[in-house]
Amino acid sequence: KNEVEQSPQNLTAQEGEFITINCSYSVGISALHWLQQHPGGGIVSLFMLSSGKKKHGRLIATINIQEKHSSLHITASHPRDSAVYICAVTAGAQKLVFGQGTRLTINP
Amino acid sequence: SQTIHQWPATLVQPVGSPLSLECTVEGTSNPNLYWYRQAAGRGLQLLFYSVGIGQISSEVPQNLSASRPQDRQFILSSKKLLLSDSGFYLCAWSVQGRSPLHFGNGTRLTVT
Repeated sequence: KNEVEQSPQNLTAQEGEFITINCSYSVGISALHWLQQHPGGGIVSLFMLSSGKKKHGRLIATINIQEKHSSLHITASHPRDSAVYICAVTAGAQKLVFGQGTRLTINP
Repeated sequence: SQTIHQWPATLVQPVGSPLSLECTVEGTSNPNLYWYRQAAGRGLQLLFYSVGIGQISSEVPQNLSASRPQDRQFILSSKKLLLSDSGFYLCAWSVQGRSPLHFGNGTRLTVT
């Protein structure tokens, strides 16, 4: 079993829909990251959080430390949101453990 | 502002040839530096990380090596490439693990 599990692996939705991507982890962490990888391969850091909730534009990330679970939400989704979303946790020794990613496709 | 440079963007190398990928960071001091690999259709795999000059930690036994000759320079090398070394290699940095990760644009390596 991977230390970081994401669900779903693939998600297709229509423009405007509310999107939720989930991440569960089984190790103690100091921080959790949400990353976005576009088709060209470049990766952008969306959020780094250790508690509570963060919001940036249409993106919202939440984390529940007790339940070892985080969610990434996208409101009013748009085709340009289509990408692979990756959850990663900092689990000691300043290393990151990555989930397998969620491929999101937003159709116009 | 901080920037990260990674080159080359693409590379095609024959089996058995050497490899050298370079990553440099600007605008910050003493960053944590990371090399990741992403095989086709797979998730990111940490290969090496460094918390300081000359300090390299290896995560996966393989025929790759890493070096950090300067504070903001991280090099990924191989003496003899294998077919299985093909993939997308990403360099990244963070501030002592306390900041978000900042990724380079990646190098797509094809070993033929």
